[in-house]
Amino acid sequence: AQTVTQSQPEMSVQEAETVTLSCTYDTSESDYYLFWYKQPPSRQMILVIRQEAYKQQNATENRFSVNFQKAAKSFSLKISDSQLGDAAMYFCAYRSAPSGNTGKLIFGQGTTLQVKP
Amino acid sequence: DGGITQSPKYLFRKEGQNVTLSCEQNLNHDAMYWYRQDPGQGLRLIYYSQIVNDFQKGDIAEGYSVSREKKESFPLTVTSAQKNPTAFYLCASSRRQGKNTEAFFGQGTRLTVV
Repeated sequence: AQTVTQSQPEMSVQEAETVTLSCTYDTSESDYYLFWYKQPPSRQMILVIRQEAYKQQNATENRFSVNFQKAAKSFSLKISDSQLGDAAMYFCAYRSAPSGNTGKLIFGQGTTLQVKP
Repeated sequence: DGGITQSPKYLFRKEGQNVTLSCEQNLNHDAMYWYRQDPGQGLRLIYYSQIVNDFQKGDIAEGYSVSREKKESFPLTVTSAQKNPTAFYLCASSRRQGKNTEAFFGQGTRLTVV
C-alpha cells in the first residue's frame, strides 16, 4: 500500500521570503501522480500543483514549484516570495496513474504554514 | 460555473440518529469520493464511486453508507453505528481517465454530535 508522510506539522516564513515544505512517499508503482493541495481557513481544498511521475521536469506554477526526486521518493513544495494569503494547511497527496485505477488520493498529515508580516 | 456543492455547511446530530450529507457536482465527472478530516490528520477515504450504481468502501467505511443513483449526486449517510462522527467531511470528484484527473473538492460539511 502507498503511504505519504509530511514530517513538518508546522512551518513559518517571513513575508516575501522562500519556504520549502517536505513530503516523502512510499510506493512500488512506477507511474503515478503527486499533488500539493492548499487548505486555507475557509477549509476549501485548492489544487496548488501537480507532478506526473514520468516527467523528469519539475512542475512550476507561478510562485510555487516542486523538487521531485523519484528515486528518493521525495516531493517538496517551494513557495517563493511568500504572501500573507499563502497561510494555510498544505497537503501532499499521491494517486496511482494506471488506466482504470480508482482515482483515490492518499494524503499526508498536512503542514500548517504561518506567514509573518 | 462548474463545481461541487456540499450541504449543509454545518450539521448537528443527536446520539442514535442517522444524518445524510449532500454532495452534488456539475463537472460531468464519473468518479466521486468522500473523505473525513480530523484535527492533526490528513484526509481519510470513506467511500468512492467510479460509475453510477457502483461504489466501494474506502479505508474507514464502518458506520457510513452511500448511494450513487445519479452521476451528479453522491450522498453520504452517517449512521448511528459510527461511534465518533464528529469531523469535517469533504466530497470530491474527478475524471476517471485522461490527463487531467485531479480531484476537485466541495467546501465541506462540519458534523457535530450533540
